[in-house]
Formats: sequence, C-alpha cells, structure tokens
Amino acid sequence: AQSVTQPDIHITVSEGASLELRCNYSYGATPYLFWYVQSPGQGLQLLLKYFSGDTLVQGIKGFEAEFKRSQSSFNLRKPSVHWSDAAEYFCAVGGYGGSQGNLIFGKGTKLSVKP
Amino acid sequence: DGGITQSPKYLFRKEGQNVTLSCEQNLNHDAMYWYRQDPGQGLRLIYYSQIVNDFQKGDIAEGYSVSREKKESFPLTVTSAQKNPTAFYLCASNPTPPGLPRANVLTFGAGSRLTVL
Repeated sequence: AQSVTQPDIHITVSEGASLELRCNYSYGATPYLFWYVQSPGQGLQLLLKYFSGDTLVQGIKGFEAEFKRSQSSFNLRKPSVHWSDAAEYFCAVGGYGGSQGNLIFGKGTKLSVKP
Repeated sequence: DGGITQSPKYLFRKEGQNVTLSCEQNLNHDAMYWYRQDPGQGLRLIYYSQIVNDFQKGDIAEGYSVSREKKESFPLTVTSAQKNPTAFYLCASNPTPPGLPRANVLTFGAGSRLTVL
C-alpha cells in the first residue's frame, strides 16, 4: 500500500541555521511528490512539487527538495531558517489510479524556530 | 482575489446533530475535495468530486455526505452517524482534468474546526 513517512514529529532549529525535513514514501510507480506548509489554524500552502525531470526542485520561500529514487526519499531543505518558517510541514504523494488529487499525506513535522 | 472560502471557521455541535460545512470556490476549478485533519495524523480524504453532480467516496467517507449541484460549491454534511466528528476539516480544489500530473496540485481553503460538545 502507498504510504508516506515523516520520521520527525517535532524539530527545533535556531534562526539562521540550516534545515532538513525528512520524507520517505512507499509507492508502486514513479510518484508525484509534494511539500505543503500549514500555519496554525490555517489551510495548507504548496511549497514545491516534483513530477519528473531534474531531481532537485526549487520552491517558494527559499525551500528546495531532492528526489532520491534509490532511497524513496524527498527531503525538504532550507539553508537558513527564518522565524516565520515556524509551522507544520507535510509531505504528500499522489498520482495513482484515476483519482488524482487523492493525495496521501504524511503525519507532518512541526518546526519550531529559536531566536 | 480568487480562492476557496470555508465557513464557518468554528462550529460546535451537540451529539446527535447533523452539521453542514460550506466550501465555495471562485477559481473555476472542476475538482473539489474534502479532507479531515486530526492532530498528529496528517490529512485523510473524505469525499471528492471531479465534475458537477458526481462525487466519489474517499478513505473515510462513513458518517459524511456531500453534494455537488454547482461547480463553485461542495458542502460537507457531518451526520450523527460519524462517531468521532471533532476535527479540522479542509476543502481543496484543482482545475485540471484527471490524467495530468497537475491534477494532483491542490489549493486549500483555511479550514473549519468542528467540536462536538
């Protein structure tokens, strides 16, 4: 069965430090991969997506992610975290069958930023 | 500005009552979705609709119902049959017909928080 695992429930980093959020997936074919961000009490905003081609994808707010097929991973990175990046981050996989939009989401990683 | 409007933002329900959550979009999107979010559980799909007057069950449809009479609107009813309805509900949409990768890219509303008293 398809699944997405985000191993870290909560991460705290200092402002200005680098960030890497981990995401592993289980999927029977080439997946479409996504990272979304959610501020408290709000909806989700798309950070970046991977469909095909270059395995390093750039997103909004200075985020990037790298697709590694051999490791079934799609980790999210940012070189220098800002206090406004504190939020919850969700990795998702989609594309199977005819029910596009039926994304499978990980359980999320909450990011706290220390001043 | 175009977007998805969910209302109400907060809703309280007594046990045994049905409640309806509104989702309206002015993006001219064909497909609409309802997700449920519980703390530490990610998002789970309740129902989706790819065209007016048609909708399909998602992974956790039991205790919920929907309608899609207009392209812009996709209301969700949480019925008394839903045993644990307290959650954050998110509506989403997508403009692309099925079969294209971009059909997976969702735009989300701000959500509705339902609490059962």
